[in-house]
Amino acid sequence: GQQVMQIPQYQHVQEGEDFTTYCNSSTTLSNIQWYKQRPGGHPVFLIQLVKSGEVKKQKRLTFQFGEAKKNSSLHITATQTTDVGTYFCAGRSQTGANNLFFGTGTRLTVIP
Amino acid sequence: NAGVTQTPKFRVLKTGQSMTLLCAQDMNHEYMYWYRQDPGMGLRLIHYSVGEGTTAKGEVPDGYNVSRLKKQNFLLGLESAAPSQTSVYFCASSYSNSYEQYFGPGTRLTVT
Repeated sequence: GQQVMQIPQYQHVQEGEDFTTYCNSSTTLSNIQWYKQRPGGHPVFLIQLVKSGEVKKQKRLTFQFGEAKKNSSLHITATQTTDVGTYFCAGRSQTGANNLFFGTGTRLTVIP
Repeated sequence: NAGVTQTPKFRVLKTGQSMTLLCAQDMNHEYMYWYRQDPGMGLRLIHYSVGEGTTAKGEVPDGYNVSRLKKQNFLLGLESAAPSQTSVYFCASSYSNSYEQYFGPGTRLTVT
């Protein structure tokens, strides 16, 4: 079955440092979405990537979709305490089930 | 707009008891989903619906049933609760399969 793996599982950074989380799929994806979940909260949609090699930016956040559409990354520049939370990628396979498969998430802690 | 709401917020059940979780959305979305979230495992799809009167199985459907009698509501039932069903349950909705999902606040269920 489809699997979406995400690394690292946890990341502790000093405020101002950069942060990156990586997402890898066992199958080729039609698109990938990223969500953020604050502690005690619910997942909130950040962005969707569709095209091979696509790069999108939201202020300090940069999202990339791999050329083979099997991996993605989220990079945060100069982290702030408001970035604390768990970041999930969620991919949709090009074949088979058309459901969204969530990665295991990366929990980011920012130390002031 | 309230978005996606879930009731109850918390529940403790004894093994073998039954309960129904209610999800409601006021965005006129066709698609609705039930996920469970367990530590280190991300979000796993239980059941979903592509429209009023339709339901389909997700990754982990065993032990759960669902109904979508009205477009705005999606019910998740546990007929005979087991400790393995202790989890946080999230409902989500989306305009269509390829759009972002909007999540409810979650229901924390403990089965003793």
